[in-house]
Amino acid sequence: EAQVTQNPRYLITVTGKKLTVTCSQNMNHEYMSWYRQDPGLGLRQIYYSMNVEVTDKGDVPEGYKVSRKEKRNFPLILESPSPNQTSLYFCASSTWRGLAKNIQYFGAGTRLSVL
Amino acid sequence: RKEVEQDPGPFNVPEGATVAFNCTYSNSASQSFFWYRQDCRKEPKLLMSVYSSGNEDGRFTAQLNRASQYISLLIRDSKLSDSATYLCVVNIRSNFGNEKLTFGTGTRLTIIP
Repeated sequence: EAQVTQNPRYLITVTGKKLTVTCSQNMNHEYMSWYRQDPGLGLRQIYYSMNVEVTDKGDVPEGYKVSRKEKRNFPLILESPSPNQTSLYFCASSTWRGLAKNIQYFGAGTRLSVL
Repeated sequence: RKEVEQDPGPFNVPEGATVAFNCTYSNSASQSFFWYRQDCRKEPKLLMSVYSSGNEDGRFTAQLNRASQYISLLIRDSKLSDSATYLCVVNIRSNFGNEKLTFGTGTRLTIIP
């Protein structure tokens, strides 16, 4: 089954404790992206990656890191989480090719609370 | 000006009515356009792509107006199950050739029995 898998789904942590949210896709997609969603602000892009070893900042990259060492994985790293990073996070992937070009497939989301 | 703008609603519409949303985008070089649906606390899912000539999928019709830089979504004979937030999505090509998919903040629709 084609899917984007995020883990964990729910996470409560404390300020300053490094954490990683994993994202994996099995569709051989080139493009992967991380978003956060907050009430009234909609989905905002944090980082995106056009292919392996190619990453770029989205609209709200501060406080986040990403890496793309393999095509299927795109982890989101919070080196020192702060309460303003409490949010709902989504990973997504898409291809550049064919009829499915630019159609994004989303993971189920990670609800993060930073205390 | 936001790259993609939508009326946030909420739209409260009686069952069976027709409802339409618009979305405007600022980058005239945008090439791909989509409508996504998001149920409460769930991930967004593709509703339909939007093609230049307009396209229809059952009760849903999408239109693209490149001259005025907006896309629209029309829902006919609305059902209770259509209650959701509808997200407009546009791909923005940067000056460096990167493509970034940008989401509108969404239009919330509630169908009332």
